Amino acid sequence: QVQLQQSGAELVKPGSSVKMSCKASGYTFTSYYIYWIKQRPGQGLEWIGRIGPGSGDTNYNEKFKGKATFTVDKSSSTAYMQLSSLTPEDTAVYYCARRREGFDYWGQGVMVTVSS
Amino acid sequence: DIQMTQSPSSMSVSLGDRVTITCRASQDIGNYLSWYQQKPEKSPKLMIYGATNLEDGVPSRFSGSRSGSDYSLTINSLESEDTGIYFCLQHKQYPYTFGAGTKLELK
Repeated sequence: QVQLQQSGAELVKPGSSVKMSCKASGYTFTSYYIYWIKQRPGQGLEWIGRIGPGSGDTNYNEKFKGKATFTVDKSSSTAYMQLSSLTPEDTAVYYCARRREGFDYWGQGVMVTVSS
Repeated sequence: DIQMTQSPSSMSVSLGDRVTITCRASQDIGNYLSWYQQKPEKSPKLMIYGATNLEDGVPSRFSGSRSGSDYSLTINSLESEDTGIYFCLQHKQYPYTFGAGTKLELK
């Protein structure tokens, strides 16, 4: 069965960076784009961008350019997102998701807390 | 950016009610619209894609429709498991944008 398994929660200091992972299983990793979505506590959802695991092609929401960087490791079917220059406004749950017609599979989310 | 104006922001409903949630798109998005249900501390779940198509495994009491730039999610005969927050998403144009959400609670 399709699964997207994300890495664990992170507590990081302002100004630092964090890199999280999204390991795909149960389907051909290179066949579907991986999307990244942000959800601040008690808030709605924001689309950060996407990466094509086969091509490495990326698209970023302008709002997150310079903040987020996507990479993939095809050998382990894992997508990564690095967030840099973290501020308290980056405190959120970050999801990866696969898109077929809609976002049909989601990871369980990574809670990133930015605090000194 | 395309704005997705979702209404209402919350609803207090009774079991067996018919519930309709609407998203209005600020630009043409065709049928590039999907609906998601989110339970507390859980990831969103795809309910409807392509504006009107029911995702596999989603109960048939859920349906999606479109009238111009207005997109609706309808739940016929609400069950207790249907509570949660519902979001729409447009994926016609970058950046993809979500509605602000509708919180569905039981009276």
